[in-house]
Amino acid sequence: EAGVVQSPRYKIIEKKQPVAFWCNPISGHNTLYWYLQNLGQGPELLIRYENEEAVDDSQLPKDRFSAERLKGVDSTLKIQPAELGDSAVYLCASSSTGTGVYEQYFGPGTRLTVT
Amino acid sequence: GQQVMQIPQYQHVQEGEDFTTYCNSSTTLSNIQWYKQRPGGHPVFLIQLVKSGEVKKQKRLTFQFGEAKKNSSLHITATQTTDVGTYFCAGLVRSNYQLIWGAGTKLIIKP
Repeated sequence: EAGVVQSPRYKIIEKKQPVAFWCNPISGHNTLYWYLQNLGQGPELLIRYENEEAVDDSQLPKDRFSAERLKGVDSTLKIQPAELGDSAVYLCASSSTGTGVYEQYFGPGTRLTVT
Repeated sequence: GQQVMQIPQYQHVQEGEDFTTYCNSSTTLSNIQWYKQRPGGHPVFLIQLVKSGEVKKQKRLTFQFGEAKKNSSLHITATQTTDVGTYFCAGLVRSNYQLIWGAGTKLIIKP
């Protein structure tokens, strides 16, 4: 079974530029999460989708961040414009709530460097 | 807001010594999950605890969930180099199904 796929793995951009990250969750997983992880810290939730619906986006900085999951499968997270403080690893995870165990499977992440 | 405090931030041990990390939530949790993140890697699910007072074991790892469902611990007996990494707890809040992550405890094996 293929795991969570993310691309790109690394991205270096200048501040004020836009950037987009893509995630393809495990097949059949209805819940998708985008996290931000700074060095030495735990993952911080940005947004959670149940199928196509964003059910928790309270931590998403909506002035510059946007996300979509149009067909309830893959998802894109965008930052426009990027700021120096956005440098971090962006993790995508998915889970299947049907089993009652909310185990999250993570992708390898995208390491963003804003210069 | 809801928080999960995890201590210590780092633990240096000699190979063969034990390791313990503790999590404490400001609110009662539906369940608590534990993840391991190797250096340069991504978090990997270890286990989920659901019941009050629950204890689960995975080889040298022992996980406990407190009676009040507000705290949890992970204990590793006789650490090995393969145990190196950061261990995170993450508690599920029933009211909004938010998973609140601890800051992690980094296990470092002394050379």
